[in-house]
Amino acid sequence: QQPVQSPQAVILREGEDAVINCSSSKALYSVHWYRQKHGEAPVFLMILLKGGEQKGHEKISASFNEKKQQSSLYLTASQLSYSGTYFCGTEGPSGSARQLTFGSGTQLTVLP
Amino acid sequence: ETGVTQSPTHLIKTRGQQVTLRCSSQSGHNTVSWYQQALGQGPQFIFQYYREEENGRGNFPPRFSGLQFPNYSSELNVNALELDDSALYLCASSSGTAQETQYFGPGTRLLVL
Repeated sequence: QQPVQSPQAVILREGEDAVINCSSSKALYSVHWYRQKHGEAPVFLMILLKGGEQKGHEKISASFNEKKQQSSLYLTASQLSYSGTYFCGTEGPSGSARQLTFGSGTQLTVLP
Repeated sequence: ETGVTQSPTHLIKTRGQQVTLRCSSQSGHNTVSWYQQALGQGPQFIFQYYREEENGRGNFPPRFSGLQFPNYSSELNVNALELDDSALYLCASSSGTAQETQYFGPGTRLLVL
């Protein structure tokens, strides 16, 4: 089943913070976050694994609550380049060699 | 290290025709996954190839088929094209290790008329 992302869209001013949530109805092995700009491929941001291991970019952080099957992506001090659509991709419950199920995305717009 | 590449970038076909899309995986990656992304939606998993064998399939009909070659590059074939097949087709490669994600290519935009 497709994970649910919220909010669907958010508009920020440069320097403001944002949180994007991803919720699944099934047990998860990992959550992957990507950003996609219009007409481009999704770009990897962060992977969160069952057991607490994380790997991603320095300026972006995320959390993964295994018990609630939820993940949140935290964007702090947003920059114009953060604009795009953010997708979470989930894998579970025992890992599936990266056969991800993606949410329908959160459109983030950062204004000057 | 070269990234994931796909060809062609754009394609226009008519209903009923067949199409082949190609993907070269990132250096060192032995696993390729294909996704379909309709406008305004997230990518949907089609299938995955690992060491030349299909390793999982999403909810797509058999007219979607694929291949992986010894150099780990891959093809996606779609027969009897339908209007709803119009989408961005993305391939992603991964190394298969638990701590690594998959990396997407730029995609092929297919329009079926």
